[in-house]
Amino acid sequence: EVQLVESGGGLVQPGRSLRLSCEGSGFTFENYAIHWVRQAPGKGLEWVSGISWNSASIDYVDSVKGRFTISRDNAKNSAWLQMDSLTAEDTALYFCVRGTGTFDYWGRGTLVTVSS
Amino acid sequence: DIQMTQSPISLSASVGDRVTITCQASQDISDYLNWYQQKPGKAPNLLIYDASNLKTGVPSRFSGSGSGTYFTLTISSLQPEDFATYFCQQYEKYPRTFGPGTKVDLK
Repeated sequence: EVQLVESGGGLVQPGRSLRLSCEGSGFTFENYAIHWVRQAPGKGLEWVSGISWNSASIDYVDSVKGRFTISRDNAKNSAWLQMDSLTAEDTALYFCVRGTGTFDYWGRGTLVTVSS
Repeated sequence: DIQMTQSPISLSASVGDRVTITCQASQDISDYLNWYQQKPGKAPNLLIYDASNLKTGVPSRFSGSGSGTYFTLTISSLQPEDFATYFCQQYEKYPRTFGPGTKVDLK
């Protein structure tokens, strides 16, 4: 069974950092791109960042460029999202998803709350 | 960035109704369009990919059509488990973008 499990969310003060983790299982992790998609409370879906299978291609939504860094280690079946200089606008449920353009499997999400 | 719009934003329907949701892209995205269903407290679930292809295991009452800038998701006979929010998403270009969602609830 394909699974993506996120961790690392929590309550953080504005300006601080947080690192989200995503561990995949039930599939060949190194064959797939991994993305992060977030959903603010009661709002829609926003793609945040994506990384290709070999880390050669990385993209970010403009609102997080220069603050967030995506990475992966295929030997550990894991991907990460380093989030720096967090603001209240980053408060959301962060989903780890599999796929390049089509997101066929999603984790349950990890909640990030930015508040003083 | 490619902007995605959906219509309607919400609709009320009854079990057995035929429901159609539309999605428009701000520029030509060919058939690089997916549809997702999300229920409260759950992650989104892929229904249709490449505009018209049903993901394995998704009931055949769901169908998608369209290309270019105009797309539709149709539920031929609404079932109780179909009350949810539906999102379209383009992947022709980065950043990947989603529509605002269409909430389908019980009339």
